[in-house]
Amino acid sequence: DAGVTQSPTHLIKTRGQHVTLRCSPISGHKSVSWYQQVLGQGPQFIFQYYEKEERGRGNFPDRFSARQFPNYSSELNVNALLLGDSALYLCASSLGVAGYGYTFGSGTRLTVV
Amino acid sequence: DQQVKQNSPSLSVQEGRISILNCDYTNSMFDYFLWYKKYPAEGPTFLISISSIKDKNEDGRFTVFLNKSAKHLSLHIVPSQPGDSAVYFCAASATTSGTYKYIFGTGTRLKVLA
Repeated sequence: DAGVTQSPTHLIKTRGQHVTLRCSPISGHKSVSWYQQVLGQGPQFIFQYYEKEERGRGNFPDRFSARQFPNYSSELNVNALLLGDSALYLCASSLGVAGYGYTFGSGTRLTVV
Repeated sequence: DQQVKQNSPSLSVQEGRISILNCDYTNSMFDYFLWYKKYPAEGPTFLISISSIKDKNEDGRFTVFLNKSAKHLSLHIVPSQPGDSAVYFCAASATTSGTYKYIFGTGTRLKVLA
């Protein structure tokens, strides 16, 4: 059984560039959530999508956007990258919208230079 | 404003003994709580959850206790094993709010000594 898969695993970008991160949920899971984890901190909620609709948004600027596709995979887009966007970006999937005990992927490590 | 706090950044325990990890929260709307553990270079792995209608949930070596009046939860691992060495995060959600986001603590690094 494939778990939550995220791509790429590592990424280096320059300030001002744009980045797209991808997530494939566990088969049958319809909800995808995105989190940002900065070194030494716990994950911080960015977005939740359920059945292709945005169901929640955290305190992140409009440079962050996301979408969910008909196959329930998801993309997280970040425009005009700042040094402070360097972090581990985690995707989590769950069966339903409530996200009880959802499963995380291994994350994408983004470094902005 | 840290709504979920793990005040001990690290904990060392001898193999076979009990590990107790603590978590405090401030938002009385939180009604569902999770514990995750995280190894380096991996995503967090779900361990155990508890709803606010319970005060205890057990799964094998892992037990979570919830004290709603104190806004405190704890994770007990008995007996502790070297493979339990990881960073442990507690997370809380206000499921009635309509947005199912989890607020995570900053984590406690557990080291189980052989």
